[in-house]
This record gives sequence, C-alpha cells and structure tokens, in this order.
Amino acid sequence: ETGVTQTPRHLVMGMTNKKSLKCEQHLGHNAMYWYKQSAKKPLELMFVYNFKEQTENNSVPSRFSPECPNSSHLFLHLHTLQPEDSALYLCASSQVARGGAETQYFGPGTRLLVL
Amino acid sequence: DQQVKQNSPSLSVQEGRISILNCDYTNSMFDYFLWYKKYPAEGPTFLISISSIKDKNEDGRFTVFLNKSAKHLSLHIVPSQPGDSAVYFCAASVEAGNQFYFGTGTSLTVIP
Repeated sequence: ETGVTQTPRHLVMGMTNKKSLKCEQHLGHNAMYWYKQSAKKPLELMFVYNFKEQTENNSVPSRFSPECPNSSHLFLHLHTLQPEDSALYLCASSQVARGGAETQYFGPGTRLLVL
Repeated sequence: DQQVKQNSPSLSVQEGRISILNCDYTNSMFDYFLWYKKYPAEGPTFLISISSIKDKNEDGRFTVFLNKSAKHLSLHIVPSQPGDSAVYFCAASVEAGNQFYFGTGTSLTVIP
C-alpha cells in the first residue's frame, strides 16, 4: 500500500450505532488530520495530530472521538451520530517541519450515511 | 466566516484552450497556498503550491499566480485536456502553522 488509505470506503449506520473509521499513512509523515466534507461546503478541519499528540480540535461534537495510537494510524470513533453528520470524511497526512506548513496528502475518504 | 472563497462553482472549457480557476482569501496572514484536484470517489490530490514570496509558480501545464495586494490567486491550465475534468480546491495556510483553510471547489469540465 502506498500513500494514505482509508477504510471503510462507504458506511451506513443508524443513529444508535457505534462505528470507527480507520486511516493509515505509508509516507513516513508526522502529522495526521481528519476533515469533513459536506455538500457545497469547504473541507472542514476536525482534528489535527502532530507526533501523535492532538493539537487542534475545531469545536467538534463529542460524538466524534479521534484516536492516534502511532504516527501512521488514525481512527475516528463514531457514536450516536445525527443525520446531518452524513458526509465524506477525509484523512490526510503531512510532514511538519519546524516553522513550516507542509503539503497534506489525502486518502480517498469514507462516505458516511447516517440514517 | 469563510476565509477562502471560490466563487465559481463550475467552469466549462474547450479542449486545448486555457482554463482559469480563481480563488480569493480574506486573511492577510496567509502566506502559503495550494491547489488540489479531486476526482469523484477519490481524495484530493496535491497539484501545485505557491509561497507568498513568489507571485508565480509553474509546473508543466499548470501555473499558479498570486496577487497579494488583491488577496487573489488563480490556477491556469494550458492547454486543457479532458483528463483535467475534476473539482479543484484552493487552500491557504499561515506557514508557521499546519492548518489549511479550503475553498468550496470549482468543478472544471473540459469538453473534447
């Protein structure tokens, strides 16, 4: 596998379900991100992990819970979601150098539908 | 409030002609800009970037222009090819950080 992979690619869940999205990066990067893309809206940054430590949480509801066990893996745990949470969830990674924003490389995304 | 805006949701261009995609931003602290291309059912892929110390960056058929005074950047694709048909996102960041702000995207269709 190369680049950034995400599983599953599609997910349908009920509002009472618990599920997890998985992201893995094979690029040796030290930062990983979760984004949400809703129709006709810009990509919204949800969480940032630098060196496995969470550094940003852009006011994301607690029904979304990230986990970063190591610099190559990132999870997004989902529970009691709402229909408006239906969206494309994108994972990205980058190499963050001192004082520098670096290009982010994206996975293919998980298309989530909450019923 | 959206800090990066792409005001044209769609654009159609004849094959072989120039495609110009535009992006405006409001935050004068932004100093690093990128363009991403996205095909259906795929994640965005990095296309080209520009730092605020430059006003132009070229990579093959793709050129990005930055006008800092107008807070405007544009992506030129010449000549346009049918395979360029995709959604194009611009993104901006403060170079000292690693949070990017994205526009809503412009869907480009290149007509053979």
